[in-house]
Amino acid sequence: EVQLVESGGDLVQPGGSLRLSCAASGFIFSSYGMNWVRQAPGKGLEWVSHISGSSTTIHYADSVKGRFTISRDNAKNSLFLQMNSLRNEDTAVYYCARVGELLSDDYWGQGTLVIVSS
Amino acid sequence: DIVMTQSPDSLAVSLGERATINCKSSQSVLYSSNNKNYLAWFQQKPGQPPKLLIYWASARESGVPDRFSGSGSGTDFTLTISSLQAEDVAVYYCQQYYNSRTFGQGTKVEIK
Repeated sequence: EVQLVESGGDLVQPGGSLRLSCAASGFIFSSYGMNWVRQAPGKGLEWVSHISGSSTTIHYADSVKGRFTISRDNAKNSLFLQMNSLRNEDTAVYYCARVGELLSDDYWGQGTLVIVSS
Repeated sequence: DIVMTQSPDSLAVSLGERATINCKSSQSVLYSSNNKNYLAWFQQKPGQPPKLLIYWASARESGVPDRFSGSGSGTDFTLTISSLQAEDVAVYYCQQYYNSRTFGQGTKVEIK
């Protein structure tokens, strides 16, 4: 069974940093691209970042470019999102999602909540 | 960036009746080399992550009831729930994955 479990969400002050993790199981992690998608409270879905299975392709939304860094450790079946220079508007539930073989986001984690506030 | 616009923002439908949600992209998401529309539909219930319903604009994900169907091509797409059930109350999002990903703003479906 495919499982994605996010962790690392917390309350952080503006300008601070946080590292999110996504633990994957039930599939060959290195064979799949992964995405981070976020959802501000009461709002819609916003794609944040993508990384290919081998980490050779990485993309970011303009809203986080230069502040967030996506990475993965295929030996540990883990996906990461390093978030620096956090802003109030980064407050959201952050989901990791698997890019399926048919290129759509077929499995999602339950999300981890990041609150940026002083 | 490709902008996705859904309509309506919300709709109320009687149980057993049809619900239709539209999604328009600011540019075509049809990839000519494989004739596939890179368009997906997701369902999100409160407190839950999104669930993939439809991919390639019209292919139903495994386990999704056949009352859900997707149609359209190029820039105009539709999600139809043929006979609304109580468990279908949710917010529905379209998403393009032709160029990175962008989502529509969501459509809230309620029972009338």
